[in-house]
Amino acid sequence: AQSVSQHNHHVILSEAASLELGCNYSYGGTVNLFWYVQYPGQHLQLLLKYFSGDPLVKGIKGFEAEFIKSKFSFNLRKPSVQWSDTAEYFCAVNAGGSYQLTFGKGTKLSVIP
Amino acid sequence: DTEVTQTPKHLVMGMTNKKSLKCEQHMGHRAMYWYKQKAKKPPELMFVYSYEKLSINESVPSRFSPECPNSSLLNLHLHALQPEDSALYLCASSLTGQREKLFFGSGTQLSVL
Repeated sequence: AQSVSQHNHHVILSEAASLELGCNYSYGGTVNLFWYVQYPGQHLQLLLKYFSGDPLVKGIKGFEAEFIKSKFSFNLRKPSVQWSDTAEYFCAVNAGGSYQLTFGKGTKLSVIP
Repeated sequence: DTEVTQTPKHLVMGMTNKKSLKCEQHMGHRAMYWYKQKAKKPPELMFVYSYEKLSINESVPSRFSPECPNSSLLNLHLHALQPEDSALYLCASSLTGQREKLFFGSGTQLSVL
């Protein structure tokens, strides 16, 4: 069974700081990788996804993530965060061909103006 | 219309009550999901319906009973719940179910007294 670990429980940054949130997964086969965001009081929304091809994927709101197969990682990055990026971020893995989407425990990001 | 609509938004019920949660989407998606999310935890998959047939039941207690009357609707019938079942119940949908992003509803915040 696949599992996902997110290294940081809570990250606090000042506006304009750079962001990197770690995500590692354990599954030996083909995976599809996702980052979801949950803003306070709102539902989960997809930030970006990786299925195949270029391992550097760009998502909405200036976020990007890099898939490093040898490290089983899919870290989320943003060069300059804004106060509006304050939210909970979930990494998720889908083992190729299954319905199961396994989420990491989430990282809470607090951006200080 | 790219929304998944859940009703009610909030529900308080006693342990002897019977209630139902409803979910609706009009995106033509043929896979629909129920997730349970406890505070500060990632969503946990409960059920998956694919083409109106139950395809995954993640060992959910029988006091939760899903129903998919048609391709646009998904219900979750609740009976004799326990206080530990209090959580945010999220509905999601995707085009066919595999390798695709999920569209999440805003959830029903359930409190069992």
